[in-house]
Amino acid sequence: QQQVKQSPQSLIVQKGGISIINCAYENTAFDYFPWYQQFPGKGPALLIAIRPDVSEKKEGRFTISFNKSAKQFSLHIMDSQPGDSATYFCAASMVWGNQFYFGTGTSLTVIP
Amino acid sequence: SQTIHQWPATLVQPVGSPLSLECTVEGTSNPNLYWYRQAAGRGLQLLFYSVGIGQISSEVPQNLSASRPQDRQFILSSKKLLLSDSGFYLCAWSPTGLGRETQYFGPGTRLLVL
Repeated sequence: QQQVKQSPQSLIVQKGGISIINCAYENTAFDYFPWYQQFPGKGPALLIAIRPDVSEKKEGRFTISFNKSAKQFSLHIMDSQPGDSATYFCAASMVWGNQFYFGTGTSLTVIP
Repeated sequence: SQTIHQWPATLVQPVGSPLSLECTVEGTSNPNLYWYRQAAGRGLQLLFYSVGIGQISSEVPQNLSASRPQDRQFILSSKKLLLSDSGFYLCAWSPTGLGRETQYFGPGTRLLVL
């Protein structure tokens, strides 16, 4: 059973546009929601994360929106750049747990 | 600061040969350690995780095994590789205690079984 569902599988955006990736989860015990960015041939790197006590977190051009009642969260990339082209994974975990649950990934391509 | 190393970076092995991939973490003690496999263009499949020396939990039954002989060393092994073992293998760690909700990934090992 997929604990975290991610969409879309792939996304093509024009330079300067907004990229939006969505994730949904089932387990209400999750209390930490990170996003990872992975470039080809590299390991995923932590990009930004949010806890359920806030509805939005912004770091530069990257924003997480969190809807606790709907059990959904999304990543918004403003002013998307070709250098943002990568695979993005959402994830969920419990602060005092040992396991992490990843979405299936979204391949983002930003066209110049 | 903490760093995580994996080697080798790439590996080409014949079917039926053994495998040993190594992962080490520096700058922390008693980390939780994880092995993931990522097929081409696919998501992350958790293979094993360890919360301490000699403590291994397997998530997916297969011909792979893991061992943790030292606190910051995690090894992924196989006695006989299959074609389906090809993929990108990622080691990750997370702190125990404060910050344990975040995982940090290594650079990965690209394995091609022919």
